[in-house]
Amino acid sequence: DGGITQSPKYLFRKEGQNVTLSCEQNLNHDAMYWYRQDPGQGLRLIYYSQIVNDFQKGDIAEGYSVSREKKESFPLTVTSAQKNPTAFYLCASQKTWDIHEQYFGPGTRLTVT
Amino acid sequence: EDKVVQSPLSLVVHEGDTVTLNCSYEVTNFRSLLWYKQEKKAPTFLFMLTSSGIEKKSGRLSSILDKKELSSILNITATQTGDSAIYLCAGHGSGNTGKLIFGQGTTLQVKP
Repeated sequence: DGGITQSPKYLFRKEGQNVTLSCEQNLNHDAMYWYRQDPGQGLRLIYYSQIVNDFQKGDIAEGYSVSREKKESFPLTVTSAQKNPTAFYLCASQKTWDIHEQYFGPGTRLTVT
Repeated sequence: EDKVVQSPLSLVVHEGDTVTLNCSYEVTNFRSLLWYKQEKKAPTFLFMLTSSGIEKKSGRLSSILDKKELSSILNITATQTGDSAIYLCAGHGSGNTGKLIFGQGTTLQVKP
């Protein structure tokens, strides 16, 4: 089955700890994206990668970091510098930057206390 | 700054009603508008619209783009409880990044 997987589904952390969210796709897509979703605010772009070994900051990159060492994988690290990390995180992929339809993973709900 | 605005933000209807969801956009170098349905987790793709005035249809759902008015509507006829979800609209533009600009979403609740 082709698709995007995110793990874990739920994640709980104490304030001050870094945490890494996993995103894997087997769709052979070049481009991958990380979004954050808060109630009433839609999806906001954190980081994106158009091709392996390259990534760019989105609209709300502060306090986050990513890597894209493999085409299939685009992990997101939420660092202790992120002031408000509790949110629902969605990963998406797109065949190439030029083909606009994005496919989403099931999301990770992160709670930091 | 690019933005996408959806209205209403929430809507409650009864089964069998017809609903119209609105999306307006201000997106630099606009290329396409996408609609997604989100039921608790992953948004699922509904439609992509690139040409003005051409309706896209899938069962009871249909959508149309008006480039002159910089807007799109999503219609759902004969609503069912399974249509209850958040409907997201997103605009694509601004050069060669593949970025989507999302609206806040419309939360639709269909009561039996």
